[in-house]
Amino acid sequence: EVQLVESGGGLVKPGGSLRLSCAASGFTFSSYSMNWVRQAPGKGLEWVSSISSSSSYIYYADSVKGRFTISRDNAKNSLYLQMNSLRAEDTAVYYCATSYSYGLMSAAFDIWGQGTMVTVSS
Amino acid sequence: QSVLTQPPSVSAAPGQKVTISCSGSSSNIGNNYVSWYQQLPGTAPKLLIYENNKRPSGIPDRFSGSKSGTSATLGITGLQTGDEADYYCGTWDSSLSALWVFGGGTKLTVL
Repeated sequence: EVQLVESGGGLVKPGGSLRLSCAASGFTFSSYSMNWVRQAPGKGLEWVSSISSSSSYIYYADSVKGRFTISRDNAKNSLYLQMNSLRAEDTAVYYCATSYSYGLMSAAFDIWGQGTMVTVSS
Repeated sequence: QSVLTQPPSVSAAPGQKVTISCSGSSSNIGNNYVSWYQQLPGTAPKLLIYENNKRPSGIPDRFSGSKSGTSATLGITGLQTGDEADYYCGTWDSSLSALWVFGGGTKLTVL
């Protein structure tokens, strides 16, 4: 079964740091670009960051650029999001997602993790 | 403020049809495929439509998608109470501020 499982969320103070992980299974992780998408409480989906299969291409939303770092370890089938200088507005459920079945240009995320909650509060 | 514009809410009676619009620009919808997602309360989004109008395996043909110019539409026929959810459109964006963009979401209420 193709699966993504996030972990690492929790409560952190403003200005603090947190590292999220996404464990992939059931597919050849190293062949797929990966993405982080977040959803603030009661709000819509917001794309956060993307990384290509070999880490050659990395992209960030303006809202997190310079504070968040996406990375992956293909040997461990894992995706990461290092979040620094956290702000209250970063409070959200963070999902990892990928375009598994239909290819990158299909513009469709068909595999999502269950999400991990990040709360930034003093 | 989302890059793609969706109505905040739509409603219809069971058995009826509803459409949800998604408006963008030439930097996103106008030059890329559109996908649609259903999000039930407390769950992760689920892909409903990809490449404007294709349904993944297991998605009933009550769900349909279309695209024209810089707008896209999700259609749902034969509404069921289980269709009550939030629906999002999404696509690539060629602007400098975001690689991927989503609509603000539309809450579907089945009366």
